[in-house]
Amino acid sequence: KAGVTQTPRYLIKTRGQQVTLSCSPISGHRSVSWYQQTPGQGLQFLFEYFSETQRNKGNFPGRFSGRQFSNSRSEMNVSTLELGDSALYLCASSLSGQEYNEQFFGPGTRLTVL
Amino acid sequence: GNSVTQMEGPVTLSEEAFLTINCTYTATGYPSLFWYVQYPGEGLQLLLKATKADDKGSNKGFEATYRKETTSFHLEKGSVQVSDSAVYFCALPYSGGGADGLTFGKGTHLIIQP
Repeated sequence: KAGVTQTPRYLIKTRGQQVTLSCSPISGHRSVSWYQQTPGQGLQFLFEYFSETQRNKGNFPGRFSGRQFSNSRSEMNVSTLELGDSALYLCASSLSGQEYNEQFFGPGTRLTVL
Repeated sequence: GNSVTQMEGPVTLSEEAFLTINCTYTATGYPSLFWYVQYPGEGLQLLLKATKADDKGSNKGFEATYRKETTSFHLEKGSVQVSDSAVYFCALPYSGGGADGLTFGKGTHLIIQP
């Protein structure tokens, strides 16, 4: 079974631009979560989607948004990029609907903002 | 929302030493608790979990017991190996209500010397 895939793996943008990252979950998984990982703040939860609906949202500004498609693939968008948005963005998928839901993580997209 | 505090490293030990990584949490109710591990050059993966109070999660020689009295979920291993060198994250659901998405501790970088 293929794992979680994220594209692109590396991205370089300049301040003020916008960026879209993509995540394909494990087949059959309906929940997709996004995280930002930085050396200073660690791993921080951005948002979670299930059946095309955002169910949960972390404490990030409105510049960070996402969506989920009917095939469970998800995208996240960051508008008006700032230097502080440089990070590793991780996507995770899970079956959901269980008492506990193991999250399976992708390799991440490394975003550098210049 | 829920939160977690774990000891930050780096923690440097000799091979065959005893390991404890402390983790305490703040949460509403009794959520599932997790330890994730990130080996060098690899993605984040689940190490072990516990879904209710007094449960003990175990995997690869690591153990952690869900202690509701002390709101703790400390990670232990009796004899560490060089291959255990990695970053370890304690985690719990970001919020209740059945939605997925996790909140993580800052991570503990473990270095095992031969």
